[in-house]
Amino acid sequence: ETGVTQTPRHLVMGMTNKKSLKCEQHLGHNAMYWYKQSAKKPLELMFVYSLEERVENNSVPSRFSPECPNSSHLFLHLHTLQPEDSALYLCASSQDITDHNEQFFGPGTRLTVL
Amino acid sequence: KNQVEQSPQSLIILEGKNCTLQCNYTVSPFSNLRWYKQDTGRGPVSLTIMTFSENTKSNGRYTATLDADTKQSSLHITASQLSDSASYICVVSAWDNAGKSTFGDGTTLTVKP
Repeated sequence: ETGVTQTPRHLVMGMTNKKSLKCEQHLGHNAMYWYKQSAKKPLELMFVYSLEERVENNSVPSRFSPECPNSSHLFLHLHTLQPEDSALYLCASSQDITDHNEQFFGPGTRLTVL
Repeated sequence: KNQVEQSPQSLIILEGKNCTLQCNYTVSPFSNLRWYKQDTGRGPVSLTIMTFSENTKSNGRYTATLDADTKQSSLHITASQLSDSASYICVVSAWDNAGKSTFGDGTTLTVKP
């Protein structure tokens, strides 16, 4: 266990549904991240939060909406997704966002959009 | 543009054999390089991290090397086990790109009995 948990582990949703992914870290870290991992593609950084403030939004469509209520929790709200959004969504945390800090990843949520 | 290229894309070896995975990068200014292991359907787990001044770092049967001059790294796996079957991802960070690392595509390793 890396100290980062994600729920749910699997999610199937229709294109008109609204759902949320949850991430929680138990490491006392100040930075949290959302990544998308599609089949046979490298990890794509979506959002970066530092001390609950969004510091990076990597040209992600507005149908993905992040929320960071405190430094331990990170959400990804989903609405009107497309089938191509089906992927493994990974959450990570690090002590802070400086380059030398290791990122600890959660197990991911496998999302399927029908 | 910062890039990380890994080779081979996939590799199949027999249990007990050794193998070496390659990572070439163009990330600058270089800060550190990490190798992650990602089991199918799980998140990546860090194996090693190396900074500019480090040439070799070991973690059990995993040994990573770094040549900062040629911007190349390798991950050597000794006496492979079935549980080594996974994707191995090379990740490089730059000094001026806080929070944004460059990920390679990964090498998928399959160890067969």
